[in-house]
Amino acid sequence: GQNIDQPTEMTATEGAIVQINCTYQTSGFNGLFWYQQHAGEAPTFLSYNVLDGLEEKGRFSSFLSRSKGYSYLLLKELQMKDSASYLCAALRSNDYKLSFGAGTTVTVRA
Amino acid sequence: DAGITQSPRHKVTETGTPVTLRCHQTENHRYMYWYRQDPGHGLRLIHYSYGVKDTDKGEVSDGYSVSRSKTEDFLLTLESATSSQTSVYFCAIRNDRVSGNTIYFGEGSWLTVV
Repeated sequence: GQNIDQPTEMTATEGAIVQINCTYQTSGFNGLFWYQQHAGEAPTFLSYNVLDGLEEKGRFSSFLSRSKGYSYLLLKELQMKDSASYLCAALRSNDYKLSFGAGTTVTVRA
Repeated sequence: DAGITQSPRHKVTETGTPVTLRCHQTENHRYMYWYRQDPGHGLRLIHYSYGVKDTDKGEVSDGYSVSRSKTEDFLLTLESATSSQTSVYFCAIRNDRVSGNTIYFGEGSWLTVV
């Protein structure tokens, strides 16, 4: 099975930086996804990490440590539109099942 | 993304009636998934498919069945809907033609069982 943990809620100020942590335990790990989901909408793909290290895409960066079963999503220069739920998900290699954490609700305040 | 269409987008049905949700893709991808999303639980995998007529159960498959008779369609059926199946249902597709893995979601189907 898979066990994925992330904080329930985070609050930050516009223009600041927020780091959302995710820990996972899975058999046959084949990568870690991050998605953004606004209320009432579908999840949208943000990043996929399968190798250790940091990947940067504009204001969003994602980090993975396979040995520690740990990932984080870093949101820089926060904007009001970044208020959303952020979902961490682990992909299993033998059957490509994708399992999700419960999501982290980020609220950006002016 | 990946030409995913879910139907219906919204449905209200009565307890005990059968309901089928359809996920349609236009890009011939092999892997398709059905999830449900409920407050406090996040996205939970119901069933997934790795090819035509090849399906497997997820973590919350009780009360659901699926079929995939052709590559482009993955159907989720509630044989006898119950109020506990009121939820938002998302279909997802794994794009296996890019390096790495990319999994995209459909727009969702909101189901209310009364």
